Amino acid sequence: QVQLVESGGGVVQPGRSLRLSCAASGFTPGSHAMHWVRQAPGKGLEWVAVISDDGSDKYYADSVKGRFTISSDSSKNTLLLQMNSLRAEDTAVYYCARDRALHDYDAIDHWGQGTLVSVSS
Amino acid sequence: AIQMTQSPSSLSASVGDRVTITCRASQDIRNDLGWYQQKPGKAPKLLIYAASSLPGGVPSRFSGSRSGTDFTLTISSLQPEDFATYYCLQDYNFPFTFGPGTKVDLK
Repeated sequence: QVQLVESGGGVVQPGRSLRLSCAASGFTPGSHAMHWVRQAPGKGLEWVAVISDDGSDKYYADSVKGRFTISSDSSKNTLLLQMNSLRAEDTAVYYCARDRALHDYDAIDHWGQGTLVSVSS
Repeated sequence: AIQMTQSPSSLSASVGDRVTITCRASQDIRNDLGWYQQKPGKAPKLLIYAASSLPGGVPSRFSGSRSGTDFTLTISSLQPEDFATYYCLQDYNFPFTFGPGTKVDLK
């Protein structure tokens, strides 16, 4: 079955960087687009970024554009999120998630358990 | 970016009640909308995709519909395990955008 396991969260000072990883299993590498979605404490869900199945296309929320970079290593079935210039408002649980469609974009059908990023001095 | 509004923001209901939640998109998104259920401390779960399609394993008491830019999630007979927060997500174009959520709790 599909499994998504995030790692790399923690406490970081404002302005610093952090890299999140997501180990994916249970489906063919490079067959689905992959997303990052976050949720600030007590708040709603916010879509963050997506990378296409072949890694050629990437899209970002305006709130993270220019600071966050999504990437993937299809040979290892690993999704990454490089987060630079972190701000207090980036504090959230970050979910790795799989797009439902094969070689397209659609709903998000599988989610990891999330990893908490806390930006604080 | 496409804006998603959702109503109500919260509702109180009893087991067995019929519950309806609505999302409205700020522009035409065709049928490119999904509904998600989230329980406290857990990841969201996909309930409906393409406005009205159920993924395997989702109970048939959940249904979705569309009228123009208005989308509705209906729970035909609320069960104890359905008390949760529900979100819509437009997947028509990027950036994808979520509705603000509807919390369903026990009356």
